Amino acid sequence: GESVGLHLPTLSVQEGDNSIINCAYSNSASDYFIWYKQESGKGPQFIIDIRSNMDKRQGQRVTVLLNKTVKHLSLQIAATQPGDSAVYFCAHPPDAGGTSYGKLTFGQGTILTVHP
Amino acid sequence: EAGVVQSPRYKIIEKKQPVAFWCNPISGHNTLYWYRQNLGQGPELLIRYENEEAVDDSQLPKDRFSAERLKGVDSTLKIQPAELGDSAVYLCASSAPGAGWPYNEQFFGPGTRLTVL
Repeated sequence: GESVGLHLPTLSVQEGDNSIINCAYSNSASDYFIWYKQESGKGPQFIIDIRSNMDKRQGQRVTVLLNKTVKHLSLQIAATQPGDSAVYFCAHPPDAGGTSYGKLTFGQGTILTVHP
Repeated sequence: EAGVVQSPRYKIIEKKQPVAFWCNPISGHNTLYWYRQNLGQGPELLIRYENEEAVDDSQLPKDRFSAERLKGVDSTLKIQPAELGDSAVYLCASSAPGAGWPYNEQFFGPGTRLTVL
């Protein structure tokens, strides 16, 4: 079955460092990925997405890299701040259409802790 | 703009008791989702509504779980009777119609943390 998983369950960094959070997926047909941030006591919040026709996409202080050959994507956070402390999930929606449209498959999550 | 509102935020019940969760989606969002999130795991979809119609409830344990969205706005999720394994955070999300492909961005509420004793 399809799965989306993470290599590292926890990541601890110092403020100002760059953070890299990894995610592996199993379905080679997956063509769209999303990174979510979930702070304690809150629901997941969209960070950035990437389509399979791209290798890299940049946002504000965040970059997502996609390696389709090894079915791996990563989220890079530049100059990590204490406010970045949260659980980060990668997620994958199925192909559009039918009753599966809108369903998200989430990975296990990586806990990012940023120390001042 | 108000986000997705959920209540209660926390609920502690004894097993075999019923429990209900309420969700008010973002105004204008016709798609509503209920997810269950176990500790340390990502959310798992329970049911998705398009307006008042449940279009995907394949993951909803129908023997004890039920949901409704009678007027296509607010929704309730009920568990009766609750079991120990139902302890989790129940998240509601909503998305706007036709906002994107292949995915309409989902906006999540803060969730209801259920503890079954």
